[in-house]
Amino acid sequence: EADIYQTPRYLVIGTGKKITLECSQTMGHDKMYWYQQDPGMELHLIHYSYGVNSTEKGDLSSESTVSRIRTEHFPLTLESARPSHTSQYLCASSETGTTDTQYFGPGTRLTVL
Amino acid sequence: EDQVTQSPEALRLQEGESSSLNCSYTVSGLRGLFWYRQDPGKGPEFLFTLYSAGEEKEKERLKATLTKKESFLHITAPKPEDSATYLCAVQAEETGNQFYFGTGTSLTVIP
Repeated sequence: EADIYQTPRYLVIGTGKKITLECSQTMGHDKMYWYQQDPGMELHLIHYSYGVNSTEKGDLSSESTVSRIRTEHFPLTLESARPSHTSQYLCASSETGTTDTQYFGPGTRLTVL
Repeated sequence: EDQVTQSPEALRLQEGESSSLNCSYTVSGLRGLFWYRQDPGKGPEFLFTLYSAGEEKEKERLKATLTKKESFLHITAPKPEDSATYLCAVQAEETGNQFYFGTGTSLTVIP
């Protein structure tokens, strides 16, 4: 059973605000990921990390930033929210090994007005 | 070029009416193919990982199979609680550790 948590679950915020989406996992997984998902569309990778102090950008161009100071914590920050950032944000983690199965959190539904 | 294509986009079944969902992929050097179930407003829930052609895995009414170019998710005698979107993802050696997801099949099982 995957134990990965995201807060808040829902967020409505005005344009220009700075926001941080939280993601934590208790499985000790080295790898963590942030995806963006719009209705009817595939998940797009926006950031990933293979361990502490390691972060990379994914395929989807994003105005967000991430940090990985602790193994269990991988927050995503938007410095200045825009309506185009309205989406579902999903955090996932996986362990290093022959199986890279990713386990997902419940997601954060972000609406920027 | 799409790396993962799922069909059909949507499927409506009567309770007890078995069917299959398809996931075709174009990557080479497959490291793994993954099936997830996603309920509205929630994160994907892991179902299966398949690694090589000919491999099969089962869980309750679901059975996943893999060939060199596609995977099938067979649903036997579905129940209304099986209604969800089923996502397929592939991980390939040519793309490192990244997963590439399909757009999913939305399954509705009618009582």
